[in-house]
Amino acid sequence: QQQVKQSPQSLIVQKGGISIINCAYENTAFDYFPWYQQFPGKGPALLIAIRPDVSEKKEGRFTISFNKSAKQFSLHIMDSQPGDSATYFCAASIPSTDKLIFGTGTRLQVFP
Amino acid sequence: EPEVTQTPSHQVTQMGQEVILRCVPISNHLYFYWYRQILGQKVEFLVSFYNNEISEKSEIFDDQFSVERPDGSNFTLKIRSTKLEDSAMYFCASSRDRADSPLHFGNGTRLTVT
Repeated sequence: QQQVKQSPQSLIVQKGGISIINCAYENTAFDYFPWYQQFPGKGPALLIAIRPDVSEKKEGRFTISFNKSAKQFSLHIMDSQPGDSATYFCAASIPSTDKLIFGTGTRLQVFP
Repeated sequence: EPEVTQTPSHQVTQMGQEVILRCVPISNHLYFYWYRQILGQKVEFLVSFYNNEISEKSEIFDDQFSVERPDGSNFTLKIRSTKLEDSAMYFCASSRDRADSPLHFGNGTRLTVT
């Protein structure tokens, strides 16, 4: 119940295309859903986050779509660029706890 | 922009030895964390630290692990007697508030236990 399931494991997209990464969870107590981006040799960096009271959040080319009834959320990267090539992790946390539970990661490669 | 710094970037140790991983969190942050990432796998929570004490820990964080904030700026993770399976990338993170505020991660210490 504490898991966050992420798919796909890897994704190859052409420059200018849309990258879509999906996550699903079981625990309805989760109330904060961030996405982290990790480049090789670096720590994860927060990209965008959403709470379950909204169904979508957009920041530049990055959009989170959230479906509370289906217990799913996804990251859309519009106009994908080679510089977006990285590993993306979804995560979730429960109120009044101090831990993030991460998904298994998606390695995105954007080819020119 | 302030950042979390970790040292060393790579630590090689023999099984059974003690290691101390060091971190300098962002100065006005109140919550401190250690996560680890075994090669190619997901990032796993180890422990959180607030107000000079452990606020939460995972089942991975057993008696072999300890954390300390010795001087108000450094935050350390000690592994008393390392095992082969402790080989991983260890990330320190800090945040102004609990886990539902942005976590700022360091670039990690790669621990190799031989």
